[in-house]
Formats: sequence, C-alpha cells, structure tokens
Amino acid sequence: GDSVTQMEGPVTLSEEAFLTINCTYTATGYPSLFWYVQYPGEGLQLLLKATKADDKGSNKGFEATYRKETTSFHLEKGSVQVSDSAVYFCALSVPGDMRFGAGTRLTVKP
Amino acid sequence: DGGITQSPKYLFRKEGQNVTLSCEQNLNHDAMYWYRQDPGQGLRLIYYSQIVNDFQKGDIAEGYSVSREKKESFPLTVTSAQKNPTAFYLCASSTNSPGLAGGVDEQFFGPGTRLTVL
Repeated sequence: GDSVTQMEGPVTLSEEAFLTINCTYTATGYPSLFWYVQYPGEGLQLLLKATKADDKGSNKGFEATYRKETTSFHLEKGSVQVSDSAVYFCALSVPGDMRFGAGTRLTVKP
Repeated sequence: DGGITQSPKYLFRKEGQNVTLSCEQNLNHDAMYWYRQDPGQGLRLIYYSQIVNDFQKGDIAEGYSVSREKKESFPLTVTSAQKNPTAFYLCASSTNSPGLAGGVDEQFFGPGTRLTVL
C-alpha cells in the first residue's frame, strides 16, 4: 500500500550545520507530498508541500523537491538554528487520507 | 481566527471508564480526522470523516467510537474496550482536494489531548 519511509533519528547537529532528512515514498498514482513539524507537546504544523513531480516546496529556509524518478522528498536546510529542534514528519496524500512517516527528532545544539 | 481546538489538553481516566475528547474546527473543512501518537512513534489513523453524518474506520479503530453530527465537530470516545489508551490524541481537518489521485489537501492539526489511564 501507499506509505512513506523516513530516516530514523534522532539527529543531533550543531547550530549553523547543514540538515538533510531523507524521505522516500511508495504510492500508486500521483500523491501530494508534505513535511510537517511538531514542537514538544503540540500538534503538527505544515512546513512545506509539493503537489507534482519536480515541484520544490520551501518555507523558513527549509526546502524539499518532489523527485518522481527516485520517489523521494528529502528535507534540507542550509543552516539550522536551535529553534529548529523538533520532530519532522514526511507525509503523502492518498484518496481520503494522509500517510505519515514515523518522524525524525532533530536536536540542534548551540 | 480560524483553527482547530481540542479539549481538554490533559485527561485522566480510570480503568473501565469511557471518556470523550472534543474537537472543533471553524475552518469550514469537510474532512476531519483522529490520530493516535505514541512516544517516539508516528501518527496512526483512528477514524476519519469526509462529510457530515458519515465516517470511516482507520487503521486502529477498535475500542474507539466517533460521531459527526455537525460539520464543525468530531468528538472521539475512548471506550473501556481500548486496552491501552494512554497516548497523545490529535485531531485534524482538511478540504478534500480532488487532484489526480483524489488526495486530500494539507491537514490542519489541533494542539492535542494527552490521555493517561490511572
């Protein structure tokens, strides 16, 4: 069935380091792809999305490109900040539902 | 301001009790969802509803029940049949985007309810 697989965490980086969180998907048809962020004790917030192949979603310095040939949607940021510490979820949209990855916890140290 | 509210933020339940978690949205969304999140894990779908007076079971519906009598409201009842209910519960809503595959558009999440069984 339709699913997403994202890299296991936790990921620990120093401030200003480069971030990559890998996400690959399996889907029939043409899903939309999303990255959500969850801060401690809160719900999820949409970070960025892409609705078709080769689209690039971007927000707050984060980027991800919808790669149909590699079925991937990797999240990147050039210079992370302490405030980026959170859990990041990759997700895809299928008819009537959204499928989420297991989440990757990111900790950024000063 | 438009958004989703969940109440209460923290809920404690004794063994054998039913409890109901509230979820309200004023975004005029047709679709609403309930997810369960366990520590260090992703989200698992309990129930979803794409329209008033209709709802569908998700992956882990056993021990839970829902109703959708109003567009704005989608309460979740955790029954005594749910053997391990301690978790963080998230409600979400979305428009239904047709798209090529009929997928949903982005989901908007509430702040969550943390349920603990004593």
